[in-house]
Amino acid sequence: DAKTTQPNSMESNEEEPVHLPCNHSTISGTDYIHWYRQLPSQGPEYVIHGLTSNVNNRMASLAIAEDRKSSTLILHRATLRDAAVYYCILRGFFYKLSFGAGTTVTVRA
Amino acid sequence: NAGVTQTPKFQVLKTGQSMTLQCAQDMNHNSMYWYRQDPGMGLRLIYYSASEGTTDKGEVPNGYNVSRLNKREFSLRLESAAPSQTSVYFCASRWTGLEKLFFGSGTQLSVL
Repeated sequence: DAKTTQPNSMESNEEEPVHLPCNHSTISGTDYIHWYRQLPSQGPEYVIHGLTSNVNNRMASLAIAEDRKSSTLILHRATLRDAAVYYCILRGFFYKLSFGAGTTVTVRA
Repeated sequence: NAGVTQTPKFQVLKTGQSMTLQCAQDMNHNSMYWYRQDPGMGLRLIYYSASEGTTDKGEVPNGYNVSRLNKREFSLRLESAAPSQTSVYFCASRWTGLEKLFFGSGTQLSVL
């Protein structure tokens, strides 16, 4: 299965945007890019997903590079409730999501 | 709507004991999954069930068995618990054809 690479941690100020990068240079043409987040002591929560085009929803935006070898999750205005571990995951044919270590996001008040 | 419900929330076992972790979803989802999360790590897939009556191994199936009892319920059994199975266990479900996975709140298991 194709793997992803994310920074271990990122910090942001409250009400500022957060850009979370993810590299997936071995992505195949049919792999979906998924993002989940995990708040402390909770199960992961779906954030957004995409295949080729940029995607927006009420939680975030997903910007996918033209060659699909990288993507960026954008939180438009970070709040304290956005402090979590964010996982970038590639979804292959059999839908067996593999969560790496993710990026720990800290939001400063 | 309870979503994905896991029981128990906490459990302490002695090495060699057996137990079953229960998972139920009320969203009429076809697919269900069991993950484990070790401290400071991401989640690893243990087993999954694409539909009622089918189960398949994930990344780390050794030491576990599963049962898809019906469409709602997917249980995970540890036949002879080992300290290496100390972890937080998450159940998840999904409607086939949709990308979004819904997770339960987890079971924290300690094996002494």
